[in-house]
Amino acid sequence: KQEVTQIPAALSVPEGENLVLNCSFTDSAIYNLQWFRQDPGKGLTSLLLIQSSQREQTSGRLNASLDKSSGRSTLYIAASQPGDSATYLCAVRSGANNLFFGTGTRLTVIP
Amino acid sequence: NAGVTQTPKFRVLKTGQSMTLLCAQDMNHEYMYWYRQDPGMGLRLIHYSVGEGTTAKGEVPDGYNVSRLKKQNFLLGLESAAPSQTSVYFCASSYEWGMNTEAFFGQGTRLTVV
Repeated sequence: KQEVTQIPAALSVPEGENLVLNCSFTDSAIYNLQWFRQDPGKGLTSLLLIQSSQREQTSGRLNASLDKSSGRSTLYIAASQPGDSATYLCAVRSGANNLFFGTGTRLTVIP
Repeated sequence: NAGVTQTPKFRVLKTGQSMTLLCAQDMNHEYMYWYRQDPGMGLRLIHYSVGEGTTAKGEVPDGYNVSRLKKQNFLLGLESAAPSQTSVYFCASSYEWGMNTEAFFGQGTRLTVV
């Protein structure tokens, strides 16, 4: 069974700092990896999708990379803002029914 | 753009009561999923459907039933609620399951069983 791990579980940074969130997975046979944002008491908002054949995807201040062979992905957030405070989840898709989630990194950006 | 809509958003049940959670999507997606989210455990798949009239078990199906009578709707039922089913439930949908498939999630239903 695919295991997805996110480190650290929580991260606190001052506003303006660049930061990296990590995601690792045990089975490299994936179709894609998706990063989500979850605000307290809210649903999941999709941030970036990286196909298994891709190395990275960018959206605004966000950049996600994928190293399938080593089972790792990173989410880079540039010039962090207080509005970036949320829990960030990564999920890997291994098939029709298999979207495996990590437990998330809770990010706090201090003004 | 409605996307994925879950009803209700909050519910409190007594042990042994039954209820149905409704998920509706307006994106013409074939695949729909029900997950539960518990502290420290991430999201776990309960049941899923690969098309109208089909359902299949996920990782944690016990105590739940589902139906997909219409393509746009996916219902999750609890026949006899237990305190262990206290959780946040999320519905998701996707067009297919290939490399370029993005999953879209609803806002969640917070269920408390007392």
